[in-house]
Amino acid sequence: DGGITQSPKYLFRKEGQNVTLSCEQNLNHDAMYWYRQDPGQGLRLIYYSQIVNDFQKGDIAEGYSVSREKKESFPLTVTSAQKNPTAFYLCASSIIQGGTEAFFGQGTRLTVV
Amino acid sequence: GDSVTQMEGPVTLSEEAFLTINCTYTATGYPSLFWYVQYPGEGLQLLLKATKADDKGSNKGFEATYRKETTSFHLEKGSVQVSDSAVYFCALSDPRTNAGKSTFGDGTTLTVKP
Repeated sequence: DGGITQSPKYLFRKEGQNVTLSCEQNLNHDAMYWYRQDPGQGLRLIYYSQIVNDFQKGDIAEGYSVSREKKESFPLTVTSAQKNPTAFYLCASSIIQGGTEAFFGQGTRLTVV
Repeated sequence: GDSVTQMEGPVTLSEEAFLTINCTYTATGYPSLFWYVQYPGEGLQLLLKATKADDKGSNKGFEATYRKETTSFHLEKGSVQVSDSAVYFCALSDPRTNAGKSTFGDGTTLTVKP
């Protein structure tokens, strides 16, 4: 079945560590996105990519980094510069044409310990 | 820029009650409109969509009509069930662009009690 797979589902980070969240899709979508969701709040766009080897900052990119070396993969690194990383992270993908729906992964819950 | 405004929650209903969640949007063009649902601890799933004015999207007993004159896309269901308890997001995407990005509302939490 086609879809988006995020891993791990739960992730714990110590203060000062970088951690990488995985996102893989087999939908053949060109566009991929990372969102952050805090309790009781909406989605905030961190980074998005429309093509391999290219990506753009979203609304809250500070303290995060991404790469897009393959069409299927869009990993997100939460760096030590992100002062409040505890949140639920969602990866999504879509075709490049606007006006179409996004497909989401199951999310990764990151907790700083 | 584009924006989506949803009614604030949380919304608590008894089983079999009628549901309305209001959604209005601001956009310069003619966006496609979506409702997504998020169950606890999961990602978002598309619930229904509409791509042009007066279109009605429907799925699983939920409906929403694209009202261009009032820039609205209100979600309705005639008889909610406990299993409908979730967070509902209204969203839009502009078909004029090739970016594929969506703009989301803040979400409305629905709790249905037996």
